[in-house]
Amino acid sequence: QKEVEQNSGPLSVPEGAIASLNCTYSDRGSQSFFWYRQYSGKSPELIMFIYSNGDKEDGRFTAQLNKASQYVSLLIRDSQPSDSATYLCAVRGGSSYKLIFGSGTRLLVRP
Amino acid sequence: GAGVSQSPSNKVTEKGKDVELRCDPISGHTALYWYRQSLGQGLEFLIYFQGNSAPDKSGLPSDRFSAERTGGSVSTLTIQRTQQEDSAVYLCASSADRGYVEAFFGQGTRLTVV
Repeated sequence: QKEVEQNSGPLSVPEGAIASLNCTYSDRGSQSFFWYRQYSGKSPELIMFIYSNGDKEDGRFTAQLNKASQYVSLLIRDSQPSDSATYLCAVRGGSSYKLIFGSGTRLLVRP
Repeated sequence: GAGVSQSPSNKVTEKGKDVELRCDPISGHTALYWYRQSLGQGLEFLIYFQGNSAPDKSGLPSDRFSAERTGGSVSTLTIQRTQQEDSAVYLCASSADRGYVEAFFGQGTRLTVV
């Protein structure tokens, strides 16, 4: 079992729709959770982080964390073609403070 | 510096040669990570440095790979006797401390082994 798992996609949504990206993790002691966006040929850049159960909103983005079920999700409202990228879930904490990434979900927003 | 700096940005080497990749983290950042990303794949963890603690080398794929961090700042990733499967983008990231802080990435070194 991978430490951090994501559906590779692609997830295709029409412009203006809500995109829902999911991530599960195996280390129950994990403490902080990050969503990074990576455009093709570029380095990852942080979208959001969350470390408490529940929802955290920032503009069009909402991160959701459920530690009991060991999953974290990212909702993108009013999706734009410019949101088309690979979204990487990253987890830190538990047995080590190293930052472990999932394999990413590719999002395509159709105009 | 203003951001994480990696050099070189591109490196083409012949199979069997050794290569060194350099990472200059953001000033004051105590944590430094190396990752490898093959084409179309996610980030594969290689090694993690935190302050003066012993590095977490659990992600290094073979004993041909090694890394050091001098003076708690600049890090060098060395790959000995390179193989074609080592071709990938090598990404370095740094963060301020443990815990609830993000890691900032450099632009990566694209390594091609021919």
